Amino acid sequence: AQSVTQPDIHITVSEGASLELRCNYSYGATPYLFWYVQSPGQGLQLLLKYFSGDTLVQGIKGFEAEFKRSQSSFNLRKPSVHWSDAAEYFCAVGPYGNKLVFGAGTILRVKS
Amino acid sequence: DTGVSQNPRHKITKRGQNVTFRCDPISEHNRLYWYRQTLGQGPEFLTYFQNEAQLEKSRLLSDRFSAERPKGSFSTLEIQRTEQGDSAMYLCASSLGQGLGSVTEAFFGQGTRLTVV
Repeated sequence: AQSVTQPDIHITVSEGASLELRCNYSYGATPYLFWYVQSPGQGLQLLLKYFSGDTLVQGIKGFEAEFKRSQSSFNLRKPSVHWSDAAEYFCAVGPYGNKLVFGAGTILRVKS
Repeated sequence: DTGVSQNPRHKITKRGQNVTFRCDPISEHNRLYWYRQTLGQGPEFLTYFQNEAQLEKSRLLSDRFSAERPKGSFSTLEIQRTEQGDSAMYLCASSLGQGLGSVTEAFFGQGTRLTVV
């Protein structure tokens, strides 16, 4: 069965530092991969998606992610974090029918 | 309106009562999804509609849960005889599917937070 693992429950970075959030998936075929961000009490906003093609994808708010098939990973990166990036980040894989399977999330804290 | 709208945003109910939530998707979207999110977890799929047809239901959707999308536009999710374990955020999402098996971007609403006391 498909699954998504986000190994880090919490991550704290200093404002201006770089960020990498890890995501590993288990899926039998070519996955469709997503990163969403959720602010407290809010819904989910799509940051970026990978369907096919270039394995390095650019998203909104300066985020990017790289699909590595050999490692079954889709890690999210940002070169310089802003205080407004503090939120919870979810990686998701979308099999047939667009049903999404989410990881448990990583809470990002930004210290000034 | 350019987004997915969910009402109410918050609901507190006594155990054993019935509750109903509403979701208005983005107007041209033919697909609609319900997810449930408990504290410290990612959203879990509940059910999926393509137009008015309910095409898939998770085993999480017990017989106390029912969802409808009568005219292929808005959807309702009803929980009968609520239990404390039903306390969660209920998220609705919509997307525009181009055909069977196509995968497209899903847009989420802000959710309805249910508290069963």
